[in-house]
Formats: sequence, C-alpha cells, structure tokens
Amino acid sequence: QVQLQESGPGLVKPSQTLSLTCTVSGGSISSGGYYWNWIRQHPGKGLEWIGYIYYSGSTYYNPSLKSRVTISVDTSKNQFSLKLSSVTAADTAVYYCARDGRGYGRFDYWGQGTLVTVSS
Amino acid sequence: QSALTQPASVSGSPGQSITISCTGTSSDVGGYNYVSWYQRHPGKAPKLMIYEVSNRPSGVSNRFSGSKSGNTASLTISGLQAEDEADYYCSSYTSSSTLVFGGGTKLTVL
Repeated sequence: QVQLQESGPGLVKPSQTLSLTCTVSGGSISSGGYYWNWIRQHPGKGLEWIGYIYYSGSTYYNPSLKSRVTISVDTSKNQFSLKLSSVTAADTAVYYCARDGRGYGRFDYWGQGTLVTVSS
Repeated sequence: QSALTQPASVSGSPGQSITISCTGTSSDVGGYNYVSWYQRHPGKAPKLMIYEVSNRPSGVSNRFSGSKSGNTASLTISGLQAEDEADYYCSSYTSSSTLVFGGGTKLTVL
C-alpha cells in the first residue's frame, strides 16, 4: 500500500521560502509511470493544484504560481519536495502531496496534508 | 484558470439519490474525458471516487457513479448512507496541460 507523508515547518514568515517534503513509502518514486504532485487548500476554499514532478525530473507548474515554485525529487530518499518563495499570508493553506497515475488528474494516493501558516 | 463551479451544498435523506454538478468550459471539462471526483471527510486525506468521468477505482462502492454532458460533469450517489456525508471535489485536465479543481460541495445526509 502506497503511503505519502508531508513534513516541514508549520509556520513561515512573510517573504521567506516555504519548504515541504513528501516521503513516499510502499512504492518507489523511481519505478516510473507516476506524477508526483503538490496541491493546496486555502482555509474555507477549494483545492488548488500547484504542480508535479515526473520520476525523470521533468516538472510542470500552475502558471499562477510558476514564478515562485520549485518541485524537486530525491529518488535515493524516495522523497519529493516543494519550495515556494516570497510567501505572503495568501499562501497560508493546507498543503497535500499526491500521486497521479496518468498525468491527467487521477490522484489515487494522498498525504494527510500539513497546515502551513504564513505570519510574522 | 478559473476553478470549476460546484454547488456549495447538497443534502439528501438516507436511501435517496443525489447529484453534484461540476461546470467548467470547453477548455477543461468539455474538452477532455479527464474528470475526477474526490471525497474528503474532515481531517482526512481526499479519496479518489471517480476518474476519467465515469470509472470507479477498485474498492469504491458502485453507489457512486459519474457522467458528463457538454461542459458539466456530475457525480451521483445512490442509496445515500450516513457515511457519505463529506465534502466532494471535482477536478479536470485543461487545455493548458494543467489541472483545475472545483470549489467543493458539502453533502449533508439528513
């Protein structure tokens, strides 16, 4: 059974960089065929797709966040990571990592989510 | 891209059927058969209920079904049960090769 678990600071100061890691267990990121995503949910709002990384390292980001987002993968640790720069209070959200089996939004495994608050 | 449009809330009594709509445009819902539906109970991770408009993953009850007409996709839950009370989200692939979600629908089982 594949499991994903997000980790990282729960509080980030404005203008700093938000950094989160998703650890995958029960399956190898490098086994191929899957897209590893970050998704967030602002308080009381719907879900927002941030972007994905393919096991090969290729990435694709939401255009609205592209200038501030970097997603990377560490296959040796079976982890992938999110960095979001120049954060503001508008980036306060629950951040989820999720696996997409096809690259078209078939998110079959999700992490539990982690709340990140941007505040001084 | 704009979020897909879902009703904020729907409700139904046990045993009844309900339908949740998800309206987009020809650049997302209407243009591709890549609509998914997710169920999320409070404090839990979202669960994939339907993918590619009408396919159910293994283990998902056949009380859940999906369909699409034009730019609107729908999730139908038949034989409502108390455990179905949750938030439901749709998502779609888009012509920009991105993914967009709906705002979510809160289902209340009366």
